Amino acid sequence: ELKVEQNPLFLSMQEGKNYTIYCNYSTTSDRLYWYRQDPGKSLESLFVLLSNGAVKQEGRLMASLDTKARLSTLHITAAVHDLSATYFCAVDKGGSQGNLIFGKGTKLSVKP
Amino acid sequence: DAGVIQSPRHEVTEMGQEVTLRCKPISGHDYLFWYRQTMMRGLELLIYFNNNVPIDDSGMPEDRFSAKMPNASFSTLKIQPSEPRDSAVYFCASRTAGQQNTIYFGEGSWLTVV
Repeated sequence: ELKVEQNPLFLSMQEGKNYTIYCNYSTTSDRLYWYRQDPGKSLESLFVLLSNGAVKQEGRLMASLDTKARLSTLHITAAVHDLSATYFCAVDKGGSQGNLIFGKGTKLSVKP
Repeated sequence: DAGVIQSPRHEVTEMGQEVTLRCKPISGHDYLFWYRQTMMRGLELLIYFNNNVPIDDSGMPEDRFSAKMPNASFSTLKIQPSEPRDSAVYFCASRTAGQQNTIYFGEGSWLTVV
């Protein structure tokens, strides 16, 4: 059974600081997704990582994928308050077109 | 594009009543997914369709839940009879085929069963 674990589950950080969220998964998969969810809102796609060594960046967020280690990271650079949200990683269950298994999410709070 | 459209956005119903949630996927998307989100269990896939055909319904909790996709632009998720433990946010999502394509989520239907 594919399991996806994120850590930390809660993260409180100050503006301007850097931090990394980790996403481990239990079985082989070549596709990993990062989503953002604001309170009471839908999930917004941030990144799709398709191969080992893939790295994508958007603004202050950078995501990477190591399929051999079954690990993805979401790195936050110089955090700002607007980044406060819950971040989910999700892994393709394998052999399917988008049957994603989600981690429990990391609730990020960026304080002034 | 209007995105994935769900209705109703909020519903409060009494235990035992039938609940029908509706979804219009993004035009041209081949896959449609129903997810449920709760504090306890997080995001769970209930069922997904490919070209209107149900592919995997192993996440449907029990026979009280059913889903249909009569055409490429419409899907329903029905709960009959509803129970308080069904209270959750139900998301519909869609995507096109192809590895590089992400899944787009609707705004969700917030269901409360009292």
